Amino acid sequence: EVQLVESGGDLVEPGGSLRLSCAASGLTVSIAWMSWVRQAPGKGLEFVGRIKSKTDGGTADYAAPVKGRFTISRDDSKNTLYLQMNSLKTEDTAVYYCATVTSGRIAYWGQGTLVTVSS
Amino acid sequence: QSALTQPRSVSGSPGQSVTISCTGTSSDVGGYNYVSWYQQHPGSAPKLVIYDVSKRPSGVPDRFSGSKSGNTASLTISGLQAEDEADYYCCSFAGTLYVFGTGTKVTVL
Repeated sequence: EVQLVESGGDLVEPGGSLRLSCAASGLTVSIAWMSWVRQAPGKGLEFVGRIKSKTDGGTADYAAPVKGRFTISRDDSKNTLYLQMNSLKTEDTAVYYCATVTSGRIAYWGQGTLVTVSS
Repeated sequence: QSALTQPRSVSGSPGQSVTISCTGTSSDVGGYNYVSWYQQHPGSAPKLVIYDVSKRPSGVPDRFSGSKSGNTASLTISGLQAEDEADYYCCSFAGTLYVFGTGTKVTVL
């Protein structure tokens, strides 16, 4: 059974940085296409970015609102996905979900971790 | 990439059918057969209910069905049940990344 467990959400001031983690079990993150999706309080889902499997190049792509500020990476030895968030803005406040993305579908989701950007 | 357009809310009585539309462009919904739908209950993570326009994952009731015509995809819930009351989001591949719909609240009267 695939399980994704996010952590690292916190209250941070505008301009600050935060790193989210997503520990995976039941799948190997290095050979999976993984993504981050966020949901602002009371709002809809927003695709943040995606990292390809190592065998497919391992590169990451990002949505326009976070490009240049957010970075997706992984630690194969820990089977963990990360989201490094820099230059945080109040509009980045959201629950952040880690998820698998395969052949056009987001099949497995974590439970989410809350990031609050506020002074 | 702009969000796909969904109605804000739809409602129906138990046993009835409801259909949710999801309108995009030729760069997303109309350009790929990678449309998926997600059900989200309050306080929970989204759950995949339809992928590749019309396929159901194992365990999803056959009351859920999907279709697509041009730049518009649709999710139909037949035989509406109380547990179907939730928010529903469509999602489409858009060439490199994915774009979600604006979300629809389904209310069971």
